Amino acid sequence: GQQLNQSPQSMFIQEGEDVSMNCTSSSIFNTWLWYKQDPGEGPVLLIALYKAGELTSNGRLTAQFGITRKDSFLNISASIPSDVGIYFCAGPSEGAQKLVFGQGTRLTINP
Amino acid sequence: GAGVSQSPRYKVAKRGQDVALRCDPISGHVSLFWYQQALGQGPEFLTYFQNEAQLDKSGLPSDRFFAERPEGSVSTLKIQRTQQEDSAVYLCASSFGYRGTGGSDGGYTFGSGTRLTVV
Repeated sequence: GQQLNQSPQSMFIQEGEDVSMNCTSSSIFNTWLWYKQDPGEGPVLLIALYKAGELTSNGRLTAQFGITRKDSFLNISASIPSDVGIYFCAGPSEGAQKLVFGQGTRLTINP
Repeated sequence: GAGVSQSPRYKVAKRGQDVALRCDPISGHVSLFWYQQALGQGPEFLTYFQNEAQLDKSGLPSDRFFAERPEGSVSTLKIQRTQQEDSAVYLCASSFGYRGTGGSDGGYTFGSGTRLTVV
């Protein structure tokens, strides 16, 4: 089935640094979603991308829908402590309502 | 309610015990989804309801797993004869439209999950 691969699996950065993570797939996705999950909570949608090549921002977050439709990138600028968490990419499974999720990128910030 | 509510938040079950996990979606949301999230992994789809109809149960790992949504609102995920590999966080999500994955509404709203530990 469709799979999403996220890298890196974990990141340890200093507060104020910029962060970049990506998500790739062997198959095409027509929508890319980026979620953040805090400990003990469900994932919360950060950014949704619907068109190849689209670049979308949400505050300090910027995400891009790759031209090939097989990848997406999420960037966080000037990281702050509340950015700590696990970031997941996701996309709709072909012909179905369900979402396929990547395995996540865990972000840790040193103050 | 304001969000998706799941109960209990934590459940410890002895192996072989039956468990029932409840999900209260956002009022008026048509679509309801159950996902299973193992430790250190992303959520994996279990089943999908559109109102009271279970339209996709392809992700249920075995016939020990059963889900229902009899009146098109509250949903229950039941696991019979629990086994250690069932230990995971079970997430419920709902969406207003018939498509949970697209459109400007942003798609799903997830609950906080039920953490099931089978000992």
